Amino acid sequence: GIQVEQSPPDLILQEGANSTLRCNFSDSVNNLQWFHQNPWGQLINLFYIPSGTKQNGRLSATTVATERYSLLYISSSQTTDSGVYFCAAYSGNTPLVFGKGTRLSVIA
Amino acid sequence: EAGVAQSPRYKIIEKRQSVAFWCNPISGHATLYWYQQILGQGPKLLIQFQNNGVVDDSQLPKDRFSAERLKGVDSTLKIQPAKLEDSAVYLCASSLNWAGELFFGEGSRLTVL
Repeated sequence: GIQVEQSPPDLILQEGANSTLRCNFSDSVNNLQWFHQNPWGQLINLFYIPSGTKQNGRLSATTVATERYSLLYISSSQTTDSGVYFCAAYSGNTPLVFGKGTRLSVIA
Repeated sequence: EAGVAQSPRYKIIEKRQSVAFWCNPISGHATLYWYQQILGQGPKLLIQFQNNGVVDDSQLPKDRFSAERLKGVDSTLKIQPAKLEDSAVYLCASSLNWAGELFFGEGSRLTVL
């Protein structure tokens, strides 16, 4: 089945800084999503982005399907951005597979 | 629009006891998933339903876990008997169709003592 790898595993930022999270996947994808898991454990949808670029406020994402990676950009980070960011992908008949996540800590 | 509903939010049981979790997906969503998330790890798929049929249950420990989705709407996940390693958050998700955008419930946190 598809392999999903995320980097970096941990990231500490000063409030106001920008960051880029990366997701590599081993096969072509039908669906790719980015989630934010907040400190209470809730998985929040950020982007549904099998290809192309999307933006939502301070967050944007780009998936280059032909090169098998996706990037999540966070600009002007805030303490509320803290938590774990997951990338997850569908490929062929394989159900959504999650990466191990990037744990982000934003310090005031 | 109401999101994915799950209950109970928290459950503490002794090993070898049984437990059941309930999930009501977003209205109209044909595909329903149960994931297990152990602390510090990403969610792992246990079972996927399309309407009331099972699409994938290859990672469901069938000797102790069972799940059903009667009438193609809400679903129940049962563990009997529970083991210590079953301590985790059980997440239910739904999507309009296969490979569609997934939406997760708040999860049910299980502690097995």
